[in-house]
Amino acid sequence: QSVLTQPPSASGTPGQRVTISCSGSSSNIGSDNVNWYQQLPGTAPKLLIYTTDQRPSGVPDRFSGSKSGTSASLAISGLQSEDEADYYCAVWDGSLNGRYVFGTGTKVTVL
Amino acid sequence: QLQLQESGPGLVKPSETLSLTCSVSGGSISTPNYYWGWIRQPPGKGLEWIGSLYYSGSTFYNPSLKSRVTISADTSKNQFSLKVSSVTAADTAVYFCARELTIFGVAPKGPDVWGQGTTVTVSS
Repeated sequence: QSVLTQPPSASGTPGQRVTISCSGSSSNIGSDNVNWYQQLPGTAPKLLIYTTDQRPSGVPDRFSGSKSGTSASLAISGLQSEDEADYYCAVWDGSLNGRYVFGTGTKVTVL
Repeated sequence: QLQLQESGPGLVKPSETLSLTCSVSGGSISTPNYYWGWIRQPPGKGLEWIGSLYYSGSTFYNPSLKSRVTISADTSKNQFSLKVSSVTAADTAVYFCARELTIFGVAPKGPDVWGQGTTVTVSS
């Protein structure tokens, strides 16, 4: 059971804005930076956002990340068909001697 | 360009030890700038971090797996390895190796480069 909770699904039509939430606690999101990963079907995950709000080179600026307290969010603006994928938040959790944890994952569907 | 490639048996019998190797090209694992780790994904499920290794030899493991997991490195071959002992069907998953970000080497801060993954099935 993950300590980071995400909605199982989200959807939108092309061009719309979609937001995915990630709820944690003071031992993880509340005290460290969050990464977001995109996993297309049958492929390895790809780093989408690091250090809460930074985009690696090559990631479109349609993707943005933010954090407030013990929750984080990923926003996809101008949704495109190729954005249909699973999205995971992730962060270091300082409890239990420390471990890296992934969120439960959100399936984004482009209608 | 950094590339990681997992290798190892695709089928392991229950109670035996799962062994995988990650070969790294385009960069050295003997760098203080990154950790090197393993993540797995059971069929149809989410991602689970297994553990990470630093160039100094220090390791972090997921507490839920710590008693069964060992991650080690062979710097001469620029490879690092995963061993999971006493496997059961619950260990059936796609196993990914990855380079992990860090800040001053204190702890791993998540993968930034992933291997393509290798499927391991635990079955007799």
